[in-house]
Amino acid sequence: AQTVTQSQPEMSVQEAETVTLSCTYDTSENNYYLFWYKQPPSRQMILVIRQEAYKQQNATENRFSVNFQKAAKSFSLKISDSQLGDTAMYFCAFMKRTTQGGSEKLVFGKGTKLTVNP
Amino acid sequence: GAGVSQSPRYKVAKRGQDVALRCDPISGHVSLFWYQQALGQGPEFLTYFQNEAQLDKSGLPSDRFFAERPEGSVSTLKIQRTQQEDSAVYLCASSLNLAFGNTIYFGEGSWLTVV
Repeated sequence: AQTVTQSQPEMSVQEAETVTLSCTYDTSENNYYLFWYKQPPSRQMILVIRQEAYKQQNATENRFSVNFQKAAKSFSLKISDSQLGDTAMYFCAFMKRTTQGGSEKLVFGKGTKLTVNP
Repeated sequence: GAGVSQSPRYKVAKRGQDVALRCDPISGHVSLFWYQQALGQGPEFLTYFQNEAQLDKSGLPSDRFFAERPEGSVSTLKIQRTQQEDSAVYLCASSLNLAFGNTIYFGEGSWLTVV
């Protein structure tokens, strides 16, 4: 079974600074996706960034980038120029292709609570 | 609709009561998922539909949990004889088709408190 571990329950950063959130995962699969989701107090999970395991180049989305180390099974999220609106829970998630009729369930970590301070 | 819509947003149930949670996915989305998120935890998979077919229900915690999507659009998650450990946020999600790695869009969840 796949597992996703986020070792930092809480993090804080000053506005405009850079913060890195850690994520490790365990799988024997070769073909999979990794995601970072943001969950504000409204509880809606919002996709931040995604990475396909076959792509060596790290994904970037504006101020968000990842450091994907496939051999080490590590997938960290870097947030540059942190903004107050980045305050939220951040979840790392793993998706593998299944044979059960295309069910591509996400496996989530326990999350990291990020607070951006003014 | 513009996004995944869930109702009710908040539900307080007395222990032993039955509850029904509704999910209206994004129009045209083939895949629909239900997740359960307990306090302080990440979401955990409950069940998956491809159109009206329930293809994976491996995450349903007991036979008190039942989900359906009879016409391949709106889905209902029903919990019978609720217990305190059922208290959680129930998240519904949908994706457009079966392409691997498709973006999965989440609703805001239904907060269930069993007292």
